[in-house]
Amino acid sequence: DGGITQSPKYLFRKEGQNVTLSCEQNLNHDAMYWYRQDPGQGLRLIYYSQIVNDFQKGDIAEGYSVSREKKESFPLTVTSAQKNPTAFYLCASSRPAAGTGTDTQYFGPGTRLTVL
Amino acid sequence: GNSVTQMEGPVTLSEEAFLTINCTYTATGYPSLFWYVQYPGEGLQLLLKATKADDKGSNKGFEATYRKETTSFHLEKGSVQVSDSAVYFCALRGSSASKIIFGSGTRLSIRP
Repeated sequence: DGGITQSPKYLFRKEGQNVTLSCEQNLNHDAMYWYRQDPGQGLRLIYYSQIVNDFQKGDIAEGYSVSREKKESFPLTVTSAQKNPTAFYLCASSRPAAGTGTDTQYFGPGTRLTVL
Repeated sequence: GNSVTQMEGPVTLSEEAFLTINCTYTATGYPSLFWYVQYPGEGLQLLLKATKADDKGSNKGFEATYRKETTSFHLEKGSVQVSDSAVYFCALRGSSASKIIFGSGTRLSIRP
């Protein structure tokens, strides 16, 4: 079945460590996104990528990094520079449909990161 | 810039009650509008969408109509069930943008 997978579901990190969250999609979507969700709050965009080998900062990119070497994969690294990384991280993807305003984002199941 | 405002929760209803969750937006041009639902511990799922004025999106008994004159996209359901308990997000995508703007979410709890 087509979809988006994120791994691991739960992740624990010690302070000062970098950690990488995986996101893979087999929907043949060009665009991929990373969001952060804090308890009781909405989604905030961290990074997004519209095509392979290209990505842009979202609203809260500081302390995070991404790569987009393959169409199917968009890993997110939470670096030690991120001061408050404990949160629920959601990956999404969509068709390019730029200019039409009609593409829908499809979400993975999320990764809950806890800093110990 | 584009923005979405939805009613604050939590909203608590009894089973079989009528549901309305208000959503209004600010955008230039003709955005697409979405409702997403998030069940506990999971990612977001698309519930319904509308891409032009007066369109009605519907799914699983939920409906929302794209009202350009009032810049609204209110979510409604005639008879809610306990299984509808979740967080609901209103969202928009601008006509020339790749990013989706999400509202802050409304937590819905349904009592048996």
